[in-house]
Amino acid sequence: DTAVSQTPKYLVTQMGNDKSIKCEQNLGHDTMYWYKQDSKKFLKIMFSYNNKELIINETVPNRFSPKSPDKAHLNLHINSLELGDSAVYFCASSQAQGVSGYTFGSGTRLTVV
Amino acid sequence: SQQGEEDPQALSIQEGENATMNCSYKTSINNLQWYRQNSGRGLVHLILIRSNEREKHSGRLRVTLDTSKKSSSLLITASRAADTASYFCATGKIDYKLSFGAGTTVTVRA
Repeated sequence: DTAVSQTPKYLVTQMGNDKSIKCEQNLGHDTMYWYKQDSKKFLKIMFSYNNKELIINETVPNRFSPKSPDKAHLNLHINSLELGDSAVYFCASSQAQGVSGYTFGSGTRLTVV
Repeated sequence: SQQGEEDPQALSIQEGENATMNCSYKTSINNLQWYRQNSGRGLVHLILIRSNEREKHSGRLRVTLDTSKKSSSLLITASRAADTASYFCATGKIDYKLSFGAGTTVTVRA
């Protein structure tokens, strides 16, 4: 039933490890996004994909690699995790630009120790 | 860089009162959106207002947009405890990129 689902909800890992976050939407939306929310609640866009094609890559370190196998899925792989990567990562999707809002997943809280 | 900035950062009101929060932005936009985030949850879309619109309503929510002042306001009337959340404005200028402010935290006291 969930419109945008992310897994896992919580992720605790050591520095230097590689981890992935998965996202799936069942809304039939064409566009998917990854946002990072820091401890001050500031949300920053990381990537936008439209129909599996990368549209926006917002100066994210290349340790972060998104992958969209189809337009319903957008996964985020992070290599060599650093302490500063600790944040909540949100996946979102949308249909028509500037007409409808985004639907967000419930977030993945990543803690790097 | 951050596009929208909400004011105030935090707001505490009594149940039944109205809550008003403002958003200012720096460059021209195509649309402005407001979202709510309950603690530990994802963001929920509330209202989208286009740059050629001045006011929109949705239930107890009223949004205004003044493009000459590059500002928007969100009014929640007759607030309820369930309205306790963080509220974010987000501006759309470039397709596929919605820029968010840091939010206003609203606490509704019973």
